[in-house]
Amino acid sequence: DVKVTQSSRYLVKRTGEKVFLECVQDMDHENMFWYRQDPGLGLRLIYFSYDVKMKEKGDIPEGYSVSREKKERFSLILESASTNQTSMYLCASSLRGEIYNEQFFGPGTRLTVL
Amino acid sequence: TQLLEQSPQFLSIQEGENLTVYCNSSSVFSSLQWYRQEPGEGPVLLVTVVTGGEVKKLKRLTFQFGDARKDSSLHITAAQPGDTGLYLCAGARSNTGKLIFGQGTTLQVKP
Repeated sequence: DVKVTQSSRYLVKRTGEKVFLECVQDMDHENMFWYRQDPGLGLRLIYFSYDVKMKEKGDIPEGYSVSREKKERFSLILESASTNQTSMYLCASSLRGEIYNEQFFGPGTRLTVL
Repeated sequence: TQLLEQSPQFLSIQEGENLTVYCNSSSVFSSLQWYRQEPGEGPVLLVTVVTGGEVKKLKRLTFQFGDARKDSSLHITAAQPGDTGLYLCAGARSNTGKLIFGQGTTLQVKP
């Protein structure tokens, strides 16, 4: 059974803290994604990685960075958390070159920044 | 710019009713997917449609891709409380791996 796991389901941080969100997939997928989900806005792409150490900015990269040192692991970093980064964060993975672009999602991390 | 518009955004119906959710765009997509997301979980893929005019059925759910591959619909027959959730459409513009998501439709089916 395919699996994408995220390090925390719920996280509460203070403004200015550095926050790490971890995502691991066991499907040997080349592509990995970080999205944030807010009511009425759907899923917005923060960063995309198509291979180890390779990354591409998504639609809303400001305030975020990412790291992909191993194929199965993709980390999202909030260098200095702010209250407007309170949101649900979803990680996903997919097979590169697969024409349907089907993505598999983790359960999400609900982050609250106080 | 929101490239995929879903409607309605909210739907609350009684068990046994039928409903249709729409996903519209002015852009052409190489494929379109529908996901369902339950509270506290990530989205789960329901179906992918690829060919213009394609119709796919998943039990009581019927998915259609528009002839021009710019829009799609999801029809649920005799909705059940277990159908409650957030329905998301997502379009692929090419085989880049990236998807563009609609805003989502929150469906509540009351017993």
